Amino acid sequence: NAGVTQTPKFQVLKTGQSMTLQCAQDMNHEYMSWYRQDPGMGLRLIHYSVGAGITDQGEVPNGYNVSRSTTEDFPLRLLSAAPSQTSVYFCASSWGTAQETQYFGPGTRLLVL
Amino acid sequence: QQPVQSPQAVILREGEDAVINCSSSKALYSVHWYRQKHGEAPVFLMILLKGGEQKGHEKISASFNEKKQQSSLYLTASQLSYSGTYFCGTEIGGGSNYKLTFGKGTLLTVNP
Repeated sequence: NAGVTQTPKFQVLKTGQSMTLQCAQDMNHEYMSWYRQDPGMGLRLIHYSVGAGITDQGEVPNGYNVSRSTTEDFPLRLLSAAPSQTSVYFCASSWGTAQETQYFGPGTRLLVL
Repeated sequence: QQPVQSPQAVILREGEDAVINCSSSKALYSVHWYRQKHGEAPVFLMILLKGGEQKGHEKISASFNEKKQQSSLYLTASQLSYSGTYFCGTEIGGGSNYKLTFGKGTLLTVNP
């Protein structure tokens, strides 16, 4: 099993550009989530999904969109990138709910100029 | 509501013990502990559920005081490999609330 994979590993964007961060898992997990990590702030939940077709907002959802058309994939879309979105983004998945072990992907480093 | 972790940082010599605390202002349904090494993804250590069930690491223990909304992670006889940033994640309410909220982290450095 590859576990949780994220692409790209690193991306530079200009303000106003859009892009999609990809996340995929091959463990048949129902629960998937996106976090951003900034220095001194810990991990902050952006969006999460409890199954295909079901998504909900986390703590910091503004500026991001998600969809979940399959169990395996959970892409995160930045509609119009801003310098405040410079961060490291982690995708995570687990079997059922937030009460289960979260398996994190390797992360995507995003720099918005 | 982000849980509060203490201390923010701790430096140990190999073999020493450490305790990392995590507290919340809201009633907790579960508490998770993860360790992250620099430049890597967080890695699961422990889950403590309301009612006392624990799932996790053999060499690391933790406690969960439901009445005080607090959890503590106990690292005994620390090894160099224990170095990293430790995060607690809290789930409030349980049931249909699937949100896991993480603290800001505790940086643990273990020196020879």
